[in-house]
Amino acid sequence: EPEVTQTPSHQVTQMGQEVILRCVPISNHLYFYWYRQILGQKVEFLVSFYNNEISEKSEIFDDQFSVERPDGSNFTLKIRSTKLEDSAMYFCASDPGQGANQPQHFGDGTRLSIL
Amino acid sequence: GQQLNQSPQSMFIQEGEDVSMNCTSSSIFNTWLWYKQDPGEGPVLLIALYKAGELTSNGRLTAQFGITRKDSFLNISASIPSDVGIYFCAGQPLIIQGAQKLVFGQGTRLTINP
Repeated sequence: EPEVTQTPSHQVTQMGQEVILRCVPISNHLYFYWYRQILGQKVEFLVSFYNNEISEKSEIFDDQFSVERPDGSNFTLKIRSTKLEDSAMYFCASDPGQGANQPQHFGDGTRLSIL
Repeated sequence: GQQLNQSPQSMFIQEGEDVSMNCTSSSIFNTWLWYKQDPGEGPVLLIALYKAGELTSNGRLTAQFGITRKDSFLNISASIPSDVGIYFCAGQPLIIQGAQKLVFGQGTRLTINP
């Protein structure tokens, strides 16, 4: 069964550094998402992306965050200047689009640790 | 904003027992989903519900989409050790078009004593 894949599985970064988290959504999916899960807490929506632009973003997704689909397969989340509170699991998800009654499928996440 | 209240937060049961957990909200949701998360992994879809009143089963799991569109429950029958994990409900808000973000509940941590 097709999967959402994320790399790296674990990223350790010094505070203030830039980090890029990578995702390869399922190939025929049109909508892409990033979520965050702080240790021990619920999964929180960050941003959705469709047709090469952001569809919706949450309050968490401030100017330090950006997303990009640089080619036909990758979907990236960049944090420009990381803070300690950015430490969390980051999950990428995708779905085929409206009307398909197809749920979002998640990758296994990237654990981001900010030192 | 939209919030889902999931209960209970944790459950400690004996193997073989049945489990029930639920989510409620003051907002209407278009779709309800139930996911399971194992340590170090992403949420894995268990059941998806698309119509108010819908009752769907997946093996020992049964879930229902509340008729008011504001709640859902998940039941697990005859629990086994591999059912251990964190269960999340998630809802997609009722919007006409665009990407369908998920709003997650706080999770139910299930522990099973053999």
